[in-house]
Amino acid sequence: DTAVSQTPKYLVTQMGNDKSIKCEQNLGHDTMYWYKQDSKKFLKIMFSYNNKELIINETVPNRFSPKSPDKAHLNLHINSLELGDSAVYFCASSKVSGANVLTFGAGSRLTVL
Amino acid sequence: QQPVQSPQAVILREGEDAVINCSSSKALYSVHWYRQKHGEAPVFLMILLKGGEQKGHEKISASFNEKKQQSSLYLTASQLSYSGTYFCGSINNAGNMLTFGGGTRLMVKP
Repeated sequence: DTAVSQTPKYLVTQMGNDKSIKCEQNLGHDTMYWYKQDSKKFLKIMFSYNNKELIINETVPNRFSPKSPDKAHLNLHINSLELGDSAVYFCASSKVSGANVLTFGAGSRLTVL
Repeated sequence: QQPVQSPQAVILREGEDAVINCSSSKALYSVHWYRQKHGEAPVFLMILLKGGEQKGHEKISASFNEKKQQSSLYLTASQLSYSGTYFCGSINNAGNMLTFGGGTRLMVKP
């Protein structure tokens, strides 16, 4: 069983479209995250949720809306996609917030044309 | 503010050693090290929680100098499997956010 699973693995879409990425963890962790990795490999935190509550929003545009229906799921919806949104999006989870070990999903590669 | 890593890239022959440095302009409360192989997710290597702490993982070890606000990752007798991008991460004041450095690409050649 995959500990942190993301779907889809690849998305190719046109500018202006809306897309969602889903993430689920079966580790029983309380905290989940979205990280964005650009073409230069910079790994930047976007959001953090602890037990379904948003605790970190790192100045991400409003076009990005995370949703956590329960502590095992954290989805990411992106409206009006732009070229600069092309990246690999990693979901991660940890037992507690921040200081604990992060377990990452395999990543979702988004390409905006 | 993200930690700064150096060097940005290293090329080694199998069996050679390497050191990757991580420094911060702000106080470091803990340092995390991760490795990401090409096309894969980052994977946890180790956490250093106290100043002066040293840890090891296979032939990979790390040190943490809290006063100097820096950490170093030591790769000894490198193997082909060590190739990848190494990231250090620092925790913010509130202890709820891990920020990664820019990464160090390590390539080990036969």
